[in-house]
Amino acid sequence: SQKIEQNSEALNIQEGKTATLTCNYTNYSPAYLQWYRQDPGRGPVFLLLIRENEKEKRKERLKVTFDTTLKQSLFHITASQPADSATYLCALYTGGFKTIFGAGTRLFVKA
Amino acid sequence: GAVVSQHPSRVICKSGTSVKIECRSLDFQATTMFWYRQFPKQSLMLMATSNEGSKATYEQGVEKDKFLINHASLTLSTLTVTSAHPEDSSFYICSASGGESSYNEQFFGPGTRLTVL
Repeated sequence: SQKIEQNSEALNIQEGKTATLTCNYTNYSPAYLQWYRQDPGRGPVFLLLIRENEKEKRKERLKVTFDTTLKQSLFHITASQPADSATYLCALYTGGFKTIFGAGTRLFVKA
Repeated sequence: GAVVSQHPSRVICKSGTSVKIECRSLDFQATTMFWYRQFPKQSLMLMATSNEGSKATYEQGVEKDKFLINHASLTLSTLTVTSAHPEDSSFYICSASGGESSYNEQFFGPGTRLTVL
């Protein structure tokens, strides 16, 4: 069956460290993968998109990698800050205007 | 940037009543709008996809007579939860795609918290 898994339900790190979140999928061949941030009681906000033929994408303190062989994407936040605390969702575009979301990883950055 | 609004942000209603939620794209024309529901600590579950002027496409297991979707214009879609019951209580989020967005990027609304008593 088709599945998207995001590593842990929650991740706690110290301010200044790099947070690494994992997204694994099975039985999909997505044309691209997206990462979103969601704060409690709010809708998701788009962060980054990486295409199947791209290995890595960066935006300020964010970096995303995409390994279609491993069927995995890693999402890094460098020099993390308490304001980065939120839930991060990975999403796969599976065609036909349909995007499938993972359950998310809640990140807590401690000052 | 692209902004999507939802109204109301919160609604509490009695069992058996119908509730309408509006989703508007404020600064772009949304050729496609999506409706999701989200339970606490769970992923967004796609309910339906709607294109302006045509009938919505519902995901398996979503009752189209229960969740009525109207995408009457390129900036407005509505979701009506008919004869709401407590199990319909959830966080409903819309998103919109179109305009100058590439690769089907979706812009999400802030969500509507529905509580059915």
